[in-house]
Amino acid sequence: DTEVTQTPKHLVMGMTNKKSLKCEQHMGHRAMYWYKQKAKKPPELMFVYSYEKLSINESVPSRFSPECPNSSLLNLHLHALQPEDSALYLCASSRPLAGNDEQYFGPGTRLTVT
Amino acid sequence: DAKTTQPNSMESNEEEPVHLPCNHSTISGTDYIHWYRQLPSQGPEYVIHGLTSNVNNRMASLAIAEDRKSSTLILHRATLRDAAVYYCILRPVPGSARQLTFGSGTQLTVLP
Repeated sequence: DTEVTQTPKHLVMGMTNKKSLKCEQHMGHRAMYWYKQKAKKPPELMFVYSYEKLSINESVPSRFSPECPNSSLLNLHLHALQPEDSALYLCASSRPLAGNDEQYFGPGTRLTVT
Repeated sequence: DAKTTQPNSMESNEEEPVHLPCNHSTISGTDYIHWYRQLPSQGPEYVIHGLTSNVNNRMASLAIAEDRKSSTLILHRATLRDAAVYYCILRPVPGSARQLTFGSGTQLTVLP
């Protein structure tokens, strides 16, 4: 199984809502990533988890809160978002961080903040 | 951070080879060169990677210049399903503060 799944596929939320994005993989990968992608732009790295510990936070605002409850799951908790946070949120996984390892991406969650 | 430069767009005819160039003149000696592609409405998909030698897999070939300052992704026979944005990325070694940073990519259009 080389699949990374993400739920939900689409999410519409108001600026006062709290919601969560979920990512799951069963490839035994111990590195997991969140990316944000705006329309017609390349993905931008947000967070990296290695062995369930946050190893990289690319200066992401605190209204985005990642969580890695176990080696297969990665969550992104959302609170008090702004309309400019509307984007495609991509999850990826790989073997422990190494320069020659490929990342497997999920299909993404399309988030709209109203 | 080491950056990559790619043409914004390229066109190819179906069943012909496609050569997608990438410049990375500030590459570090330990950076791997990765290529990913993103089909419409999908997440990026790994294509190929290499360090110094040319590489082949079932999807494509990667030709790396001797000085490593440029590389070329080769699709041997383009199909309509190869129409995507192709990203050339430098992947640093573990422990580096730098991570997989996507450049602007090349939009490949395949003409029937």
